[in-house]
Amino acid sequence: AQSVAQPEDQVNVAEGNPLTVKCTYSVSGNPYLFWYVQYPNRGLQFLLKYITGDNLVKGSYGFEAEFNKSQTSFHLKKPSALVSDSALYFCAVRDEGNAGNMLTFGGGTRLMVKP
Amino acid sequence: DTEVTQTPKHLVMGMTNKKSLKCEQHMGHRAMYWYKQKAKKPPELMFVYSYEKLSINESVPSRFSPECPNSSLLNLHLHALQPEDSALYLCASSRRTGPNTGELFFGEGSRLTVL
Repeated sequence: AQSVAQPEDQVNVAEGNPLTVKCTYSVSGNPYLFWYVQYPNRGLQFLLKYITGDNLVKGSYGFEAEFNKSQTSFHLKKPSALVSDSALYFCAVRDEGNAGNMLTFGGGTRLMVKP
Repeated sequence: DTEVTQTPKHLVMGMTNKKSLKCEQHMGHRAMYWYKQKAKKPPELMFVYSYEKLSINESVPSRFSPECPNSSLLNLHLHALQPEDSALYLCASSRRTGPNTGELFFGEGSRLTVL
């Protein structure tokens, strides 16, 4: 079975400060990990993914995420937050070893960036 | 801009109506998905089509009927819905299902209200 947890329902950060949105996962094989962002009344937009290779993955809009196998984490980060980053963020995982597996989404974290 | 197009963006229907949601992609993807999303919750998988064949039905009630006329189009036919079916319905596509699926590309969604 695969699962993903986003322990924070909401993260508040001041504009210009660094931000972190946490994600931990559980899979039996190797994980494929993804971050998506959703603005109000919009679909999900892909930000970045980890498949193999470098543990630090760079994505869209200045976001990056660090894969940590020992801690089974894939936290989303950005060095300097913008008010326009305020949105709902979803972490998702797929077990590479299970061909039929679909994505499992975390519960989502609402990011609020205040001016 | 999303490369997955969904119509209509908004739909209001009565419990006795028959309506359809439509989804189109021209990325050459061979897997297409329907998700249902309630407010502030993660998307829930409903159906998966792989090479125009239904491969996954997540025990969705028969009042939802998917159809994949060709590799670019995905429909969701709605009949005798209940008010609790009101939600954002998201279409997504990916290169394929199984290993090396890659990321999903989502449409902007169809906001359905059942009166």
